[in-house]
Amino acid sequence: GAVVSQHPSRVICKSGTSVKIECRSLDFQATTMFWYRQFPKQSLMLMATSNEGSKATYEQGVEKDKFLINHASLTLSTLTVTSAHPEDSSFYICSASRGEVLGNEQFFGPGTRLTVL
Amino acid sequence: RKEVEQDPGPFNVPEGATVAFNCTYSNSASQSFFWYRQDCRKEPKLLMSVYSSGNEDGRFTAQLNRASQYISLLIRDSKLSDSATYLCVVNYSWGKLQFGAGTQVVVTP
Repeated sequence: GAVVSQHPSRVICKSGTSVKIECRSLDFQATTMFWYRQFPKQSLMLMATSNEGSKATYEQGVEKDKFLINHASLTLSTLTVTSAHPEDSSFYICSASRGEVLGNEQFFGPGTRLTVL
Repeated sequence: RKEVEQDPGPFNVPEGATVAFNCTYSNSASQSFFWYRQDCRKEPKLLMSVYSSGNEDGRFTAQLNRASQYISLLIRDSKLSDSATYLCVVNYSWGKLQFGAGTQVVVTP
C-alpha cells in the first residue's frame, strides 16, 4: 500500500507555456501533500504544503502565482508551473502523508522532470 | 549555513566492506529523523527511521546524537545494490521535512 503516482513523468516545453503536474495517492487518502523541487546534485527543497480543500502554504522564496497548487480531493493535488522559463527546469517531486502526526511517513511520487527550452 | 549538512562523497567501498557516514542538523527542535535512499534520477525512498536509542535494520545501523546534533548511518557487508545517494532527512515542523544534499556511496566489485 501507500503508492503515489505522478503524471507526466517527463515534460519538455517551450518558454512561456504553462505545465500542469498531477500527484495522486492511489490506495490511501492523503490529508497532506507536499511539493518539492530538486536541482542536479542538490537536496530536495520543499516548495509548498497543501491540505485538501484549503490554500497551499508556500515556503519562503516560492512564488505562489508562479506555482499554482490545487488540492481538490484527498487523492489528488496538482502543481501548475505558469509561464515556465528555462530556470524552472528541474525535478519536481510530490509526497503524500496519511496523517497529521509529526513524523508521519511521507510517500513520494516518482517525480516529474521538467525541461523548459 | 545549511540546515542539514552531509559529506557529498563519493564514498568508494569494496563489496563486503563497511561504510559509515554522518549528517549534522542545525535545528535543535527537530523531532524525528530519517535516512532515505535516492537512486539516480529517481524519487527518494525511505530506508529507515532513526531513533534516540539507535536502531538496526539488517545490515544498516542508524544512530542519533541529540547533544551533538548528528545522525549516522553504517552499512555492513556492502552490496553492489547499495550504490546510491543516501539522504539525511529531518522532520522539523509539523510534517515538514528538511533534506540534506546526500552522500553518494559507490560499491565496487
